Amino acid sequence: DTAVSQTPKYLVTQMGNDKSIKCEQNLGHDTMYWYKQDSKKFLKIMFSYNNKELIINETVPNRFSPKSPDKAHLNLHINSLELGDSAVYFCASSQTWQGVGNQPQHFGDGTRLSIL
Amino acid sequence: AQKITQTQPGMFVQEKEAVTLDCTYDTSDPSYGLFWYKQPSSGEMIFLIYQGSYDQQNATEGRYSLNFQKARKSANLVISASQLGDSAMYFCAMRESNTGGFKTIFGAGTRLFVKA
Repeated sequence: DTAVSQTPKYLVTQMGNDKSIKCEQNLGHDTMYWYKQDSKKFLKIMFSYNNKELIINETVPNRFSPKSPDKAHLNLHINSLELGDSAVYFCASSQTWQGVGNQPQHFGDGTRLSIL
Repeated sequence: AQKITQTQPGMFVQEKEAVTLDCTYDTSDPSYGLFWYKQPSSGEMIFLIYQGSYDQQNATEGRYSLNFQKARKSANLVISASQLGDSAMYFCAMRESNTGGFKTIFGAGTRLFVKA
């Protein structure tokens, strides 16, 4: 049973197109995230959602629009794709942070987005 | 300023030997958690070990241990008895209470090569 699953695994598309990446977790976690990993492997948070509510938007262009229909799903829609959007996008989930405690993030396998 | 610093872009270790991957962090929050993740060449992110800022003892998980020096703000990962399968990218990460734990900051990573 995959804990955090995201689809598709690979996405190749033309500049200017609109695309979506879906993410689902079956861990019962309250918090979900989107990360972008660039070609140098640097992993940067984009969005955090808690119980379907947006908590963190890390100055991501508004071409990126996350949507959380319920706390088990967090989808990412990207409009007007640009060359610089080429990266691996990771979805993750975790229990809500309780101050100090062992609540690691569980990651999906990533979606490799390539813009032609 | 970098919140998580991993100064070793690449490390080599002989199979069966121990290796230490460095991580220093910067925070004024007294309550935070430190995590290490492994990313093999297949791309998935695997949680390895956690250390809470109030934990008195260094965390250990099998062959992984965390050398936590709070005053120095360092949280180095020690892998004992290295195996070929340990070859991967390793990321140090931090969650702070003052962001509600909703924002995890990752270091730039260290690529570990295990030699036979």
